[in-house]
Amino acid sequence: DAGITQSPRYKITETGRQVTLMCHQTWSHSYMFWYRQDLGHGLRLIYYSAAADITDKGEVPDGYVVSRSKTENFPLTLESATRSQTSVYFCASSDGTAVSYGYTFGSGTRLTVV
Amino acid sequence: GNSVTQMEGPVTLSEEAFLTINCTYTATGYPSLFWYVQYPGEGLQLLLKATKADDKGSNKGFEATYRKETTSFHLEKGSVQVSDSAVYFCALISSGGSNYKLTFGKGTLLTVNP
Repeated sequence: DAGITQSPRYKITETGRQVTLMCHQTWSHSYMFWYRQDLGHGLRLIYYSAAADITDKGEVPDGYVVSRSKTENFPLTLESATRSQTSVYFCASSDGTAVSYGYTFGSGTRLTVV
Repeated sequence: GNSVTQMEGPVTLSEEAFLTINCTYTATGYPSLFWYVQYPGEGLQLLLKATKADDKGSNKGFEATYRKETTSFHLEKGSVQVSDSAVYFCALISSGGSNYKLTFGKGTLLTVNP
């Protein structure tokens, strides 16, 4: 299916475990982004990528790692999950026309760290 | 840096009432402005946009006008429906460099009662 897909939709993990959230887009968009959504904070940028093998930190990168070996995939890894990382995570992509058209978002992953 | 301030919710209205959600921004240069909507359990969808001063974005009965003199982009709808119940996010993006990072407000929860 065309579009941007995130997996899993829901995840429960234990404190200290490593967990990876997946993001896949079928448009060959060059830009990809990870945001977290928390009540009272709106959406905050974690990491972004301008192209394969090019990534950079956003507003709240601590405790997260990203990679982008292929244009279509942008996984987000929590190296050692903490309860403060309980959140809803959104992936987004853009073809570089974001100034005119914004981003396209995935459906989100709800992560609970217990 | 860039920032977006939205009126805090929640906002509760009766069906057919008039809606205004205020949004003001701080940005360098001439940003593009967006309203995104998030229906329960879903990701963010672009609702409308404006890319230059005095532009009016419109979609699904919603409107917002890019006011450079007041740095505002208020969302309005003349007659809301129960199906408009959602979280609304104001956002901006500044061009320049190659980052194209979208900055969001904290979101406003709208509940429309029949």
